[in-house]
Amino acid sequence: AQRVTQPEKLLSVFKGAPVELKCNYSYSGSPELFWYVQYSRQRLQLLLRHISRESIKGFTADLNKGETSFHLKKPFAQEEDSAMYYCALGDNFGNEKLTFGTGTRLTIIP
Amino acid sequence: GAGVSQSPSNKVTEKGKDVELRCDPISGHTALYWYRQSLGQGLEFLIYFQGNSAPDKSGLPSDRFSAERTGGSVSTLTIQRTQQEDSAVYLCASSWSGQGQETQYFGPGTRLLVL
Repeated sequence: AQRVTQPEKLLSVFKGAPVELKCNYSYSGSPELFWYVQYSRQRLQLLLRHISRESIKGFTADLNKGETSFHLKKPFAQEEDSAMYYCALGDNFGNEKLTFGTGTRLTIIP
Repeated sequence: GAGVSQSPSNKVTEKGKDVELRCDPISGHTALYWYRQSLGQGLEFLIYFQGNSAPDKSGLPSDRFSAERTGGSVSTLTIQRTQQEDSAVYLCASSWSGQGQETQYFGPGTRLLVL
C-alpha cells in the first residue's frame, strides 16, 4: 500500500535559517512525488513536483529512492514561507489520485 | 478564469441527516477528485472521475458515501445518515485530463460538522 510520512507536525525556523521539511514514502512502483502548500486563508496549491526538477520560491526537493525520501529544502527561510506543507505521492497507473502525508506546519520566526 | 468552487463553504448538520456537497471544476477539466481532511489527518482520497470512464470509488469509506458527476462537469458528494466521524473538510480538485502527473487545482473546501 502507498504511504506518505511527514514526521514533523510543527516546525519553527528563524528567518534566514535553512529549512528542511521531511517526507518519506512507501511505494512498490516508480513514485511520482509532489509538495503542496496551503498558505493562511488560501486554498491548497501545488508547490513543486519531482519530475520537473524545478525550484519554486527558492524551494527544492530531491527524490532519493534509496532512502525513499523527498525532503523539501530552502537555504534561507522567509516570513512568507509560513504555511502548511503536504507531501503527496501519485501512482503511475495513469490516474492522478494522490496519497497525502499529514502535513507539516512551518512557522518562520522573524 | 475562475478556479474550482465548492458549496456550501460550511455545513452543520445533525447526526443521521443526509448532506450534499457540490463541486464546480475548472471549465474544460475532465478529471475531478474528492478528498477528505479530518482533524489531525492528511488528505484522504475519496473518489475520482475522469471523462466518461467509470469512477474510481476505492477511497469511499462506507456505502453511506456516494458521488456523481453530471454532464462531465459539476459533481455532488452525498453522505447519507451522517455520523460524527464524518466531520471534516471535504476538498474537491480538478485537472485537465487526469493522465500523467498534472497539477490538481483545489477548491476552498466544505467544512462539515455533524452534531
